[in-house]
Amino acid sequence: AQSVTQLDSQVPVFEEAPVELRCNYSSSVSVYLFWYVQYPNQGLQLLLKYLSGSTLVKGINGFEAEFNKSQTSFHLRKPSVHISDTAEYFCAVANQAGTALIFGKGTTLSVSS
Amino acid sequence: ETGVTQSPTHLIKTRGQQVTLRCSSQSGHNTVSWYQQALGQGPQFIFQYYREEENGRGNFPPRFSGLQFPNYSSELNVNALELDDSALYLCAGGVGPGDEQFFGPGTRLTVL
Repeated sequence: AQSVTQLDSQVPVFEEAPVELRCNYSSSVSVYLFWYVQYPNQGLQLLLKYLSGSTLVKGINGFEAEFNKSQTSFHLRKPSVHISDTAEYFCAVANQAGTALIFGKGTTLSVSS
Repeated sequence: ETGVTQSPTHLIKTRGQQVTLRCSSQSGHNTVSWYQQALGQGPQFIFQYYREEENGRGNFPPRFSGLQFPNYSSELNVNALELDDSALYLCAGGVGPGDEQFFGPGTRLTVL
């Protein structure tokens, strides 16, 4: 069965600093991986996804992630964060049937000036 | 803007009651999935409907049931509410199973 572990529950950073949010996955089949962002009192917005091909995936708002099969990781990065990036970030893997997303517990990114 | 709306925004119910949550997706979204997000947790998959038939179910009891209608709207029904059912309920539409899912803003259910 697939699963996702987000290694940091909270990540505080200063504005314009780089950030990495860590995600490890477990899957015995081909993986489809996703990062979502959730702003306060809102639903989930897709940042980026890995389905196949290039292991470096670029998403919206300047975020990117790298799929590493040997490390079973899919870490999210941004070279310079803004105050507006403060939100909850979720890593997810699609289940084998492709009907469901299995989410991690989330990482709270707090950007301060 | 995902094209997925949910109603109501907030809801308060009493233990043992029944509740219906609604979701409206855009034309072409043949799948609708429902997720439960408890406070401080990631969303958990309840079930998916594809062309009005249940197409997958997570680890939720039968008192969680759903319907999908031809006009791209859907319902999540929960019977015999328990305190632990308090959560944000998210609906997501997609073109087909395995395709990108577009999430609505959610309904916050509080069970007292």
